[in-house]
Amino acid sequence: GAGVSQTPSNKVTEKGKYVELRCDPISGHTALYWYRQSLGQGPEFLIYFQGTGAADDSGLPNDRFFAVRPEGSVSTLKIQRTERGDSAVYLCASSSNLNPYEQYFGPGTRLTVT
Amino acid sequence: KQEVTQIPAALSVPEGENLVLNCSFTDSAIYNLQWFRQDPGKGLTSLLLIQSSQREQTSGRLNASLDKSSGRSTLYIAASQPGDSATYLCAVFSYGQNFVFGPGTRLSVLP
Repeated sequence: GAGVSQTPSNKVTEKGKYVELRCDPISGHTALYWYRQSLGQGPEFLIYFQGTGAADDSGLPNDRFFAVRPEGSVSTLKIQRTERGDSAVYLCASSSNLNPYEQYFGPGTRLTVT
Repeated sequence: KQEVTQIPAALSVPEGENLVLNCSFTDSAIYNLQWFRQDPGKGLTSLLLIQSSQREQTSGRLNASLDKSSGRSTLYIAASQPGDSATYLCAVFSYGQNFVFGPGTRLSVLP
């Protein structure tokens, strides 16, 4: 595709529910990143995939958060037992092996937990 | 652990002014520094990327400088236009870490 896409663009859920957020990286990009951006803040790193494996998940805040990338392309960020504090914009980015330190960002998913 | 700060948090200027946005980081062992633009409700658009061995990068009316030893970068915008209104984010890629972002500077350029 032309760029990184994320679905849904907006998600409203009730406290305690389970949500999945999807990221489609740029075709051929091997690295994929998830970030969380709270209002008025810069994005905060969550997890980084190189291919199918999570190379660094040190930014995941707790065990309610989990991400997968089973075929090395599309990734899903999963949040269990959502809390109001999980409300934020979740951003995905991808980069290529040729230029691994230049990331291309998607438009984000705005998650609201009521 | 790398920390990134940006000053000012918000800035409002009349159209045509030249302006400077500041970014500071605590650990000088960086691989690169990148400036992004974020429009409301949108993702991030990369403006300029400076490798650690470089001192500055230019693109059109934008010029970014890097002083790694003092942990500082500036983004200079010449002849500002209302279309420049957005939030500008600085991000540092450090060895052994991932991107660390600053909180951003919210810029308003008034016509």
